[in-house]
Amino acid sequence: KAGVTQTPRYLIKTRGQQVTLSCSPISGHRSVSWYQQTPGQGLQFLFEYFSETQRNKGNFPGRFSGRQFSNSRSEMNVSTLELGDSALYLCASSIDLDTQYFGPGTRLTVL
Amino acid sequence: AQSVTQPDIHITVSEGASLELRCNYSYGATPYLFWYVQSPGQGLQLLLKYFSGDTLVQGIKGFEAEFKRSQSSFNLRKPSVHWSDAAEYFCAVGTIQGAQKLVFGQGTRLTINP
Repeated sequence: KAGVTQTPRYLIKTRGQQVTLSCSPISGHRSVSWYQQTPGQGLQFLFEYFSETQRNKGNFPGRFSGRQFSNSRSEMNVSTLELGDSALYLCASSIDLDTQYFGPGTRLTVL
Repeated sequence: AQSVTQPDIHITVSEGASLELRCNYSYGATPYLFWYVQSPGQGLQLLLKYFSGDTLVQGIKGFEAEFKRSQSSFNLRKPSVHWSDAAEYFCAVGTIQGAQKLVFGQGTRLTINP
């Protein structure tokens, strides 16, 4: 089975712009979660989607949003980028209440 | 709120030596516990997990971990490390909705001396 894929792998944006990241889960997995990883804050949960509905949400501002499509693919969007949004964004998928499997991440740099 | 503490930020061991990485968690109910490994620039790879049952769990790459409820610990062990084990290791706890939301420790960076 193919693993979790994320596109793009690397992204450079400037402050004030917006960005959309994409995640394709493992086939058959209906839950997709997003995490932000930074050197200062570590790994932090952003949100989780299951069957196109946001089921859990972390403590991030409203500039961070996401959605899930009927094929379980997910996107996350960050609007009005700030320097502090520079991070590795990791997507993880799972069947449901089970183990999460992570993708390789998207490295976002905000200049 | 759930939390995970990995007391050691950085550990250095010699190749062939044994390894133990510490993890302590805070959680009110029976936790779902995980260890993940991350190589530079990569995503997280699952090493092993504990949901219930036998408190000693075996994982990939020769790793094992023991769940000790009385100590709120889930330490990772390997009897003999290889140079390829150099990476960052993360302990995580899954919350009451099952394993959908993970709370991670700060990670332990492992360096292997030849």
